[in-house]
Amino acid sequence: DGGITQSPKYLFRKEGQNVTLSCEQNLNHDAMYWYRQDPGQGLRLIYYSQIVNDFQKGDIAEGYSVSREKKESFPLTVTSAQKNPTAFYLCASSGRVGLAYEQYFGPGTRLTVT
Amino acid sequence: AQSVSQHNHHVILSEAASLELGCNYSYGGTVNLFWYVQYPGQHLQLLLKYFSGDPLVKGIKGFEAEFIKSKFSFNLRKPSVQWSDTAEYFCAARTGILTGGGNKLTFGTGTQLKVEL
Repeated sequence: DGGITQSPKYLFRKEGQNVTLSCEQNLNHDAMYWYRQDPGQGLRLIYYSQIVNDFQKGDIAEGYSVSREKKESFPLTVTSAQKNPTAFYLCASSGRVGLAYEQYFGPGTRLTVT
Repeated sequence: AQSVSQHNHHVILSEAASLELGCNYSYGGTVNLFWYVQYPGQHLQLLLKYFSGDPLVKGIKGFEAEFIKSKFSFNLRKPSVQWSDTAEYFCAARTGILTGGGNKLTFGTGTQLKVEL
């Protein structure tokens, strides 16, 4: 069953702790993305990766870090430097459909930091 | 700056009413536009997309959208909504192409649609 998995679904952390969110895909997609979703703000791009061992900052990368050591995996670390880490985090990957590319999304991880 | 605007943040409709959700974009390059839907507790999924050709595009579940270049708009429509259409709807525009494949998307702020019985 192909798709994108994110774990865990809910995550709770204390302020000051780093936390890593998992994202795995078995769609054989090269490009992967991390978004943050906040009520009334839509989805905002945190980081994206076009290929293994390569990644670029998105629009709101401050306080986050990523790695891309394997094609299937693109974990996101929310560091203690992120001022408002509580949010819903979505991972996506993109694949070719016809002449264009579409993004496919995982189920998300809801992070609560207190 | 490249942006996508959704005018309606919350919409409440009765079943069988017609729906139109507004979306405007500001982007000077080749336009690819998308509508995504997020049903309660489910993945964000693609409703429909516009790349080129016929500006009226049809998607899943009876939804359609019209690309009007002169108005920089890509409004989502459905002639008769159902209770099961209750969800959050996001408009998105491709604002970058990744050399390794894939698109960079900019999303609107979303519209919460509630359909009442």
